[in-house]
Amino acid sequence: DAKTTQPPSMDCAEGRAANLPCNHSTISGNEYVYWYRQIHSQGPQYIIHGLKNNETNEMASLIITEDRKSSTLILPHATLRDTAVYYCIVRVGHSGGGADGLTFGKGTHLIIQP
Amino acid sequence: GAGVSQSPRYKVAKRGQDVALRCDPISGHVSLFWYQQALGQGPEFLTYFQNEAQLDKSGLPSDRFFAERPEGSVSTLKIQRTQQEDSAVYLCASSLAVGRYYEQYFGPGTRLTVT
Repeated sequence: DAKTTQPPSMDCAEGRAANLPCNHSTISGNEYVYWYRQIHSQGPQYIIHGLKNNETNEMASLIITEDRKSSTLILPHATLRDTAVYYCIVRVGHSGGGADGLTFGKGTHLIIQP
Repeated sequence: GAGVSQSPRYKVAKRGQDVALRCDPISGHVSLFWYQQALGQGPEFLTYFQNEAQLDKSGLPSDRFFAERPEGSVSTLKIQRTQQEDSAVYLCASSLAVGRYYEQYFGPGTRLTVT
């Protein structure tokens, strides 16, 4: 699975859009971009994933650049409860059998300011 | 419905003791994963079960770590002769089926402190 690079921390004002960047310059054609987040003292939570098209669900939007070397997770109206560590993970969509374990980095600690 | 549950939530062990950590996955979930999360780090994969079969244990840090899922539902992670470096949060996750398309649902974790 390709490596990802994320800023260690970011601040965002409550009510504003939070834009979290992720670089994955070595991504392969069959690798997806996944986002999970981890709120303090909880287990990680799936947010969204995509291959090359932009994706949106009830939690967030995922914007992937045309060359697929970077992406941005957008939380449209951040609330205090969105304060968490956000992990960008790149992995092959189909498993090759055996482990489908996630490879987390250190993520971005997003702090929503009141 | 009920999510993934783990017990105990907190465990303090003296160095050299054996511990057993329990994971109750979401009912019907085929895949089960264990992760270890050290303070300030992201979770790291330990092992993976598909039903009762342990298909990957490449992440287990030593032979003191052992995991089982005998009936394809509840799983136990056992650590023998605990060491201080074993102090971490141990996370369990389950997913509905096999394959990376399926999101993983995580439990709250067990915080292990070895003194």
